[in-house]
Amino acid sequence: SQKIEQNSEALNIQEGKTATLTCNYTNYSPAYLQWYRQDPGRGPVFLLLIRENEKEKRKERLKVTFDTTLKQSLFHITASQPADSATYLCALTPGGSYIPTFGRGTSLIVHP
Amino acid sequence: DTEVTQTPKHLVMGMTNKKSLKCEQHMGHRAMYWYKQKAKKPPELMFVYSYEKLSINESVPSRFSPECPNSSLLNLHLHALQPEDSALYLCASSQAPGASGETQYFGPGTRLLVL
Repeated sequence: SQKIEQNSEALNIQEGKTATLTCNYTNYSPAYLQWYRQDPGRGPVFLLLIRENEKEKRKERLKVTFDTTLKQSLFHITASQPADSATYLCALTPGGSYIPTFGRGTSLIVHP
Repeated sequence: DTEVTQTPKHLVMGMTNKKSLKCEQHMGHRAMYWYKQKAKKPPELMFVYSYEKLSINESVPSRFSPECPNSSLLNLHLHALQPEDSALYLCASSQAPGASGETQYFGPGTRLLVL
């Protein structure tokens, strides 16, 4: 069956360090992959989208990589700040569809 | 205007009540979605409206009834809910069904508690 795996344990890091979150998937052929941020009790907010033929995307302090051979995406936040503390969800959309399926998310806690 | 709004923010209802959740967007998006999210779980797709027509119903119980009165509005009518239906209900929209590279714009959600 199709699975999207994100680390269920919270990631704790010190302010200023780079946070790296992982999204692994099985039995999927995603046409593109997205990362969203979700704060407690709020709706997810779109951050970045990367297509299957792209290796890397950047936006300000954010970087996403996509390895379709390893079936993995890495999401990096450089120079992390306490305000980056949130849950980060990856979402995969298969070819021929426009509807993403979400992973359960990884909680990031940035300590001052 | 890049916002999706949802009302109410919070809702407490008994199992015999009838209530409605409302969602609105003015971005000209032609796909609108309802999701249900429990704590520490991913959003689960419930319904998709494409050009104001119901295109996907993910085997949701009939006590949830969606409605799309026009291209900007989406309602979710609730009747005879169960306590296990307590969750965060999220509305989302995206530009055009079938367009490649769809990103979803989510509302803030309605926190529903069924007693």
